[in-house]
Amino acid sequence: AQKVTQAQTEISVVEKEDVTLDCVYETRDTTYYLFWYKQPPSGELVFLIRRNSFDEQNEISGRYSWNFQKSTSSFNFTITASQVVDSAVYFCAPHYGQNFVFGPGTRLSVLP
Amino acid sequence: GAGVSQSPRYKVAKRGQDVALRCDPISGHVSLFWYQQALGQGPEFLTYFQNEAQLDKSGLPSDRFFAERPEGSVSTLKIQRTQQEDSAVYLCASSLAFGGGYEQYFGPGTRLTVT
Repeated sequence: AQKVTQAQTEISVVEKEDVTLDCVYETRDTTYYLFWYKQPPSGELVFLIRRNSFDEQNEISGRYSWNFQKSTSSFNFTITASQVVDSAVYFCAPHYGQNFVFGPGTRLSVLP
Repeated sequence: GAGVSQSPRYKVAKRGQDVALRCDPISGHVSLFWYQQALGQGPEFLTYFQNEAQLDKSGLPSDRFFAERPEGSVSTLKIQRTQQEDSAVYLCASSLAFGGGYEQYFGPGTRLTVT
């Protein structure tokens, strides 16, 4: 099975701090997509960002940015100037072929 | 527009009862997915439909689990003879198409508790 590791189980930061969530995945596929989803306390998973495996250009979208390193199979996600509303569980989710795999999640708590 | 809806939101079943969980995907979405999420874990894939065809059911944990999408829209996940280990949140997601990086839109989930 293709595995996803999110080494940080829980992170706490103070509002306005930047925070980076780590994700390392295993795959034998050469073409795949990488996603980050957020699950707030309400429970509904929300799509955040997507990256394909053949484009390693890192991007910024508002307060979100991501760092994709295909050579190390890492897809890290950064929130700049965190807000209390960012408190949630964040899942890294590689999409290989017909398989959509979720990591175990990182619980982020942003304190006021 | 309306998102993915699921019903019931909460279900308590006695061990051995059958349950049926409903998912209404976003209108026009071809693909529909079911996931099981245990407490403190990430969602685990159960099964996937493209229109009415069930293309992958490799994640269904046992033959007590059955899913259908007869008209290519609403889907039902049925669990027969529920066991305590079936207690989890069952998530439904839909996407416009399959493959190539289409994001999935998730419903709020059905929390199943088997007593």
